[in-house]
Amino acid sequence: NAGVTQTPKFRILKIGQSMTLQCTQDMNHNYMYWYRQDPGMGLKLIYYSVGAGITDKGEVPNGYNVSRSTTEDFPLRLELAAPSQTSVYFCASSPSGEWTAETSPLHFGNGTRLTVT
Amino acid sequence: QQPVQSPQAVILREGEDAVINCSSSKALYSVHWYRQKHGEAPVFLMILLKGGEQKGHEKISASFNEKKQQSSLYLTASQLSYSGTYFCGTRWVDPNFGNEKLTFGTGTRLTIIP
Repeated sequence: NAGVTQTPKFRILKIGQSMTLQCTQDMNHNYMYWYRQDPGMGLKLIYYSVGAGITDKGEVPNGYNVSRSTTEDFPLRLELAAPSQTSVYFCASSPSGEWTAETSPLHFGNGTRLTVT
Repeated sequence: QQPVQSPQAVILREGEDAVINCSSSKALYSVHWYRQKHGEAPVFLMILLKGGEQKGHEKISASFNEKKQQSSLYLTASQLSYSGTYFCGTRWVDPNFGNEKLTFGTGTRLTIIP
């Protein structure tokens, strides 16, 4: 099972460039999330989606955009890269909002390490 | 909005016990605990639900006091493999959107030495 797959693993951008971080999951999960993790810090929620066509902002959405056209894919778009966006980006998914231990855990991808210079 | 974890870091000798605390200012539906090894993705450890139900994982257990909006993670007889950063994640409902979000604390770095 592939689980949650993120590409690329590493990327260096120049200030002002744009890029899309790809995330796909093969578990038919409804919920998908994008988090960023700065060095030595916790995870900050950027955007999340509760299903195809439905997205909402998290704690730190500025400078990012998302779309969810299918259940499997949840790309994150950086339009004008800034040094403050240097971080490790994690995509995650979970089956639903049901409150059971078997269905609620987040499954994380391996992350994309982004450097903006 | 972000849950607060304490301590920020702890160093233990193998076999010692530790407690990591997580508190939130929001009413919680559940609390998740994850462990992250350096350079890797966070891995789910356990979830605690409303009602104070406690879920265990090997020698790691946790509790959830929904009235106090707090959770604690208990690591007993720690092993070298327990080293890593532990994050609590708290689920709460966004009143503007009606869907639950999962917000993480800043983490507790645990180092186990032989």
